[in-house]
Amino acid sequence: DADVTQTPRNRITKTGKRIMLECSQTKGHDRMYWYRQDPGLGLRLIYYSFDVKDINKGEISDGYSVSRQAQAKFSLSLESAIPNQTALYFCATSDSGNTEAFFGQGTRLTVV
Amino acid sequence: AQKVTQAQTEISVVEKEDVTLDCVYETRDTTYYLFWYKQPPSGELVFLIRRNSFDEQNEISGRYSWNFQKSTSSFNFTITASQVVDSAVYFCALKRDDKIIFGKGTRLHILP
Repeated sequence: DADVTQTPRNRITKTGKRIMLECSQTKGHDRMYWYRQDPGLGLRLIYYSFDVKDINKGEISDGYSVSRQAQAKFSLSLESAIPNQTALYFCATSDSGNTEAFFGQGTRLTVV
Repeated sequence: AQKVTQAQTEISVVEKEDVTLDCVYETRDTTYYLFWYKQPPSGELVFLIRRNSFDEQNEISGRYSWNFQKSTSSFNFTITASQVVDSAVYFCALKRDDKIIFGKGTRLHILP
């Protein structure tokens, strides 16, 4: 089983709908992150969390919200999806210090 | 503020040529970590190397080598004798205070 699991892997939704992307990890890491990837724009940080009570906005948090339900679970919500939120979304985990980020397989979201 | 710049958007080289991918970073901190990731066409993110700010030793792993120079805030990645399987998008990342940000990536095409 993967250390970092994202569900769903693919999703098509309509403009205005609420959608939640889920991420769970078995690494035992405290740090969790959500990124979106768009062609030519790289990976941009949406939100990150250091523990259940510590959530921080990243570079592009507008239009998104997150919930850290437990150390192992970090969900990303789009309250009212819009077409320019069509992207590939990655969840990642890490430990404090020099530990690299461990990524999920990604969720491809299309908003029509 | 922290920033990672990968000025080369796309590079094409013929197989067996050497190629260097540039990464320039900005941070005011003295303690930070740098990473390189590979994203092959299948889409997953593969960790390649980490470097902490106190260790300027260059590293070689097979055909891959990394040159870290604090004086120029650069962490460049060289592939020697490139192969078609090296075709991918490569990302440089900076971790400071456990916040991880990525550059926009360099798409590398290795032509047979």
